[in-house]
Amino acid sequence: AQTVTQSQPEMSVQEAETVTLSCTYDTSESNYYLFWYKQPPSRQMILVIRQEAYKQQNATENRFSVNFQKAAKSFSLKISDSQLGDTAMYFCAFMKPARGGNEKLTFGTGTRLTIIP
Amino acid sequence: DTGVSQDPRHKITKRGQNVTFRCDPISEHNRLYWYRQTLGQGPEFLTYFQNEAQLEKSRLLSDRFSAERPKGSFSTLEIQRTEQGDSAMYLCASIGFDRGGYEQYFGPGTRLTVT
Repeated sequence: AQTVTQSQPEMSVQEAETVTLSCTYDTSESNYYLFWYKQPPSRQMILVIRQEAYKQQNATENRFSVNFQKAAKSFSLKISDSQLGDTAMYFCAFMKPARGGNEKLTFGTGTRLTIIP
Repeated sequence: DTGVSQDPRHKITKRGQNVTFRCDPISEHNRLYWYRQTLGQGPEFLTYFQNEAQLEKSRLLSDRFSAERPKGSFSTLEIQRTEQGDSAMYLCASIGFDRGGYEQYFGPGTRLTVT
């Protein structure tokens, strides 16, 4: 079974600064996906960024980027130029592809990020 | 808004009562998931549908829980004889492909409080 660990329950950073959220995972699979999801207060969980394990290049989406270290089983999220709207719970998640079958997500416990004005 | 809706958004019930939640996924998505999220935890997988077939259930889903997806469209999750330990956020998600990649689209959740 896969496990996902987020060791930072809470973080805070000044607006416009850069922050890095940590995630480690454990799996015996060689092909998988990793995700960062954002859950703003009282709002829907939305995808921030995804990484396919077979891709060596780190994924980026505007101000969001990841540092994917497959051998170390580490998947950190970097948020640059942080904005007040980035305040949310952030969840790291793992998925094993199943070619149209059950592709359930396994989540970490989350990091509550607060951006300070 | 992800396009996945859930109803109700909040439900308060007394212990022992039955409750039913509804999820409407994005219409073209044939795979639908239910997750449960308790305070301070990430969502945990409960069950999964492909069209109308319920193909996998977690051991978290006791026999008091039942889920259906008639005609492969909306889904319902029923909890019978609710217990205080059932208090949680129940999330629904459907799978699609966006920007060339896999994504699960989540609904806003139904927050259940059992008193």
